[in-house]
Amino acid sequence: EVQLVQSGAEVQKPGESLKISCKGSGYSFPNYWIGWVRQMPGKGLEWMGIIYPGDSETRYSPSFQGQVTISADKSISTAYLQWSSLKASDTAMYYCARGRGSRWNYLFFDYWGQGTLVTVS
Amino acid sequence: QSVLTQPPSVSAAPGQKVTISCSGSSSNIGNNYVSWYQQLPGTAPTLLIYDNNQRPSGIPDRFSGSKSGTSATLGITGLQTGDEADYYCGTWDSSLSAYVFGTGTKVTVL
Repeated sequence: EVQLVQSGAEVQKPGESLKISCKGSGYSFPNYWIGWVRQMPGKGLEWMGIIYPGDSETRYSPSFQGQVTISADKSISTAYLQWSSLKASDTAMYYCARGRGSRWNYLFFDYWGQGTLVTVS
Repeated sequence: QSVLTQPPSVSAAPGQKVTISCSGSSSNIGNNYVSWYQQLPGTAPTLLIYDNNQRPSGIPDRFSGSKSGTSATLGITGLQTGDEADYYCGTWDSSLSAYVFGTGTKVTVL
């Protein structure tokens, strides 16, 4: 069974750093993309970026480029999303999701993590 | 500000049909494949439709997807109270070199 299990809720202060995780199981983790999606309170889904754990190729949405860092450690089947200096506006639910598709224009997300709530206050 | 526009809400009685539109442009829907996601209240999104009209295993055929030009449509027939959720379209945007989600549509079963 494919599963993506995310780390627990975080409460941080503005200016602090943070790294949240997403651990995959039940499939070959290095061979599938992992994307990150933000959902601010009461708002819609926003795609942040994506990583291919096999070679760490990464792409960011222009809206999030330079604001966060996406990484992965294929040896422990885990992807990460990190901030160097949090802002109150980073308060949101963050989801990881497995990406499928032979090329970018086929990309979709077939399995999702349960979400990690990040509160910055 | 999403590049994919959906109606904020649609509603219908149990057993009826609803359609949700997703309007984009040639840089996204017009030349790329569309997927649809369902987000039940308080839960993570789940995949409903991929490659414009394909259903993953386990998704009932009450859910269907189609695409024409720069717009896509999700249809839900035989509406059930359990279908009350937010629905999002998604696709690759070749100009942004990014995946984009629609603005989201809330489905209410009257």
